[in-house]
Amino acid sequence: GENVEQHPSTLSVQEGDSAVIKCTYSDSASNYFPWYKQELGKGPQLIIDIRSNVGEKKDQRIAVTLNKTAKHFSLHITETQPEDSAVYFCAARDDKIIFGKGTRLHILP
Amino acid sequence: EAQVTQNPRYLITVTGKKLTVTCSQNMNHEYMSWYRQDPGLGLRQIYYSMNVEVTDKGDVPEGYKVSRKEKRNFPLILESPSPNQTSLYFCASSFLADQPQHFGDGTRLSIL
Repeated sequence: GENVEQHPSTLSVQEGDSAVIKCTYSDSASNYFPWYKQELGKGPQLIIDIRSNVGEKKDQRIAVTLNKTAKHFSLHITETQPEDSAVYFCAARDDKIIFGKGTRLHILP
Repeated sequence: EAQVTQNPRYLITVTGKKLTVTCSQNMNHEYMSWYRQDPGLGLRQIYYSMNVEVTDKGDVPEGYKVSRKEKRNFPLILESPSPNQTSLYFCASSFLADQPQHFGDGTRLSIL
């Protein structure tokens, strides 16, 4: 079955700098790759997603890139702000959805 | 307001006492799913449902049951809870399986 590895588990960046979180997946049949943000005491919320027929997608300060050959995809957050502090999860879906273990992002003032 | 509602939000109970966590969505979504979240393990899928009367096992189904008698509701049943089921549980729904999921705010279960 699918296996998703997410790195790093914790990331601290200075406010205004960029943050990058990386995920790899094992099942080449996976075709849908969402990213979720989880704030304290809340359920995860989708921030961006990408499908296997697209290499990159951007939404304001957030972008996701997908390399199908290498089976990895990354989340890029530019000009980070305090409200970006949260736990971020990647996921990959073939017939089932598998989540990475999460990255705790700290934005330092 | 579009939402996924879970109840209860918190529950402390004892080993072996049957419990049900309810989940309801008001978005007419076909797909619903249950996850558990444990420190260092991320989100793991317990069961999912592609449509009414159609349910399937996720990655960690042991010790859990679900039912999907109506489109909007997807209760999670622990027939004989054990301490290793102490966790944070999330229900989620989406129009189809490969579309963005909407999550509830979670249910924290403690099994003593």
